Amino acid sequence: DQQVKQNSPSLSVQEGRISILNCDYTNSMFDYFLWYKKYPAEGPTFLISISSIKDKNEDGRFTVFLNKSAKHLSLHIVPSQPGDSAVYFCAASSASGTYKYIFGTGTRLKVLA
Amino acid sequence: ETGVTQSPTHLIKTRGQQVTLRCSSQSGHNTVSWYQQALGQGPQFIFQYYREEENGRGNFPPRFSGLQFPNYSSELNVNALELDDSALYLCASSFQGRDAFFGQGTRLTVV
Repeated sequence: DQQVKQNSPSLSVQEGRISILNCDYTNSMFDYFLWYKKYPAEGPTFLISISSIKDKNEDGRFTVFLNKSAKHLSLHIVPSQPGDSAVYFCAASSASGTYKYIFGTGTRLKVLA
Repeated sequence: ETGVTQSPTHLIKTRGQQVTLRCSSQSGHNTVSWYQQALGQGPQFIFQYYREEENGRGNFPPRFSGLQFPNYSSELNVNALELDDSALYLCASSFQGRDAFFGQGTRLTVV
């Protein structure tokens, strides 16, 4: 039972354009969400988070949008850079008690120079 | 760089053996979580420690156990290793569980 889904295993984007990575979840108890990027042979790097009391959070080139009614979140990267090429994971948790993050299976982003 | 360090980085063990993986949490963090990441999958939650007590557990058998020390560092122990335990083991530290910062992981191979 995949509670957090990233349905696009891969995405290619031209340098300078917008990258949009999508994530869907099924558990309505989830109210805190994170995005990570991961390079080969490294641990995941925290990018940005969002609480369910917000529908948008920005940090530099990264913006996360949350649509609670659709149980959908997306990560926008603008402008995309070749160094952004990595696997991106979304993760979700309930904010009460243990932050037990459930991860999606990841989307491999390739930014073409 | 997150300040979360894991050791060792790579390990090869034989089926049936026991293994201990170590994690030093980031300064100011009091919570450590352990995750297992199989190839092509997202990380899966094993358990979390908060102030030296287990504070939540995922769907892993009891042969996966852990400890957290007064300095908030942590160990993951796996007994009776099975071939399917081969994976990347990730430690994440946080302040009370929120934004979690990961170490570089320990690649465990069971042969």
